Amino acid sequence: DAGVTQSPTHLIKTRGQHVTLRCSPISGHKSVSWYQQVLGQGPQFIFQYYEKEERGRGNFPDRFSARQFPNYSSELNVNALLLGDSALYLCASSPQALNYGYTFGSGTRLTVV
Amino acid sequence: GQQLNQSPQSMFIQEGEDVSMNCTSSSIFNTWLWYKQDPGEGPVLLIALYKAGELTSNGRLTAQFGITRKDSFLNISASIPSDVGIYFCAGQLGSGGKLIFGQGTELSVKP
Repeated sequence: DAGVTQSPTHLIKTRGQHVTLRCSPISGHKSVSWYQQVLGQGPQFIFQYYEKEERGRGNFPDRFSARQFPNYSSELNVNALLLGDSALYLCASSPQALNYGYTFGSGTRLTVV
Repeated sequence: GQQLNQSPQSMFIQEGEDVSMNCTSSSIFNTWLWYKQDPGEGPVLLIALYKAGELTSNGRLTAQFGITRKDSFLNISASIPSDVGIYFCAGQLGSGGKLIFGQGTELSVKP
């Protein structure tokens, strides 16, 4: 069975550009969450979506946005990229809105230069 | 951002030794989770704890949900080289999917 898949795996962008990261949850999972992991730290919560609705938002600027599609896949968009946005972006899925052990993807490594 | 206090930050042990790490928080959690992350990969769930006082095992791993609901520990018995990696605790506040992660414990095992 396919796990959580994220694309692309690596990405290099220039300051000021826009980026879109994609996530496909495990089949049957309706909840998707996004986390940012800066090198040497634990993941930081960005968004949670369940049944295409935003259920939670972390302490990130409005440059960060996301959405969930009818097939439960999700996109994370970041505008006006800053050097500090360089990080591993993780997507996690679970069957329901409440967490009973999220399954994480391998992440997208974003480097902003 | 908000994070849990996880200790120690790193550990260097001999193969076969037991390992203990813990997390503390100023907030009460409904759920405690322990994850392991290998280089270039996402975190993988090891153990989930749902009730205060709960003690749960998964092979050589044992974790407990503290009675105060503000702490948790993870023990690894008889460590082996493949235990190498970064271990994260995570707590969940109330309903919803937001997880608060610790800073991680980097484990190195010498054969």
